[in-house]
Amino acid sequence: NAGVTQTPKFRVLKTGQSMTLLCAQDMNHEYMYWYRQDPGMGLRLIHYSVGEGTTAKGEVPDGYNVSRLKKQNFLLGLESAAPSQTSVYFCASTSPERARGYGYTFGSGTRLTVV
Amino acid sequence: SQQGEEDPQALSIQEGENATMNCSYKTSINNLQWYRQNSGRGLVHLILIRSNEREKHSGRLRVTLDTSKKSSSLLITASRAADTASYFCATDDYTGFQKLVFGTGTRLLVSP
Repeated sequence: NAGVTQTPKFRVLKTGQSMTLLCAQDMNHEYMYWYRQDPGMGLRLIHYSVGEGTTAKGEVPDGYNVSRLKKQNFLLGLESAAPSQTSVYFCASTSPERARGYGYTFGSGTRLTVV
Repeated sequence: SQQGEEDPQALSIQEGENATMNCSYKTSINNLQWYRQNSGRGLVHLILIRSNEREKHSGRLRVTLDTSKKSSSLLITASRAADTASYFCATDDYTGFQKLVFGTGTRLLVSP
């Protein structure tokens, strides 16, 4: 049981380049989330999804797009990367039942640097 | 905006001592959760306390919740070097969908 897997683990982009971060979970969870973590800021929610084919904006959605074409995958896209998007990105998942007692399961993160 | 603010930002103790971290939040909540993050790793769920609960235990962890003061505390008893990590509180305000808002974290260093 792999849990939540994020790829890639590290990436360096030039300003203006695009990329997609992939999150995959094998726990059949309905809910998936993308957060970014910056020093001293804790985690901030970018986008989330309550099920296949649905997405919604979180606290800091600007500059990002997401898609949930399959229940197990949640993709985060940066169309034109900016240095302000340098951060560590975390994906998380849960189910309605687990959320009430066991919280989220997190991936190990993607460290992105935009130069 | 951050919902939770943790205090202290950093804590340094010796093995065997107890560690207490505090979290304050702003809005009404459905539950409050604590997570641990080891350096360079993802977050791991530690414990969840519901809004109608006042105290909860799990192993060496003790969590309290005071909804009138909008605050929570996490106590780790008999700390070990392996407890060195950052600890985050997160609140679920249950606005129709479970969506956690995290605090800024407490960095705990436990020295042998």
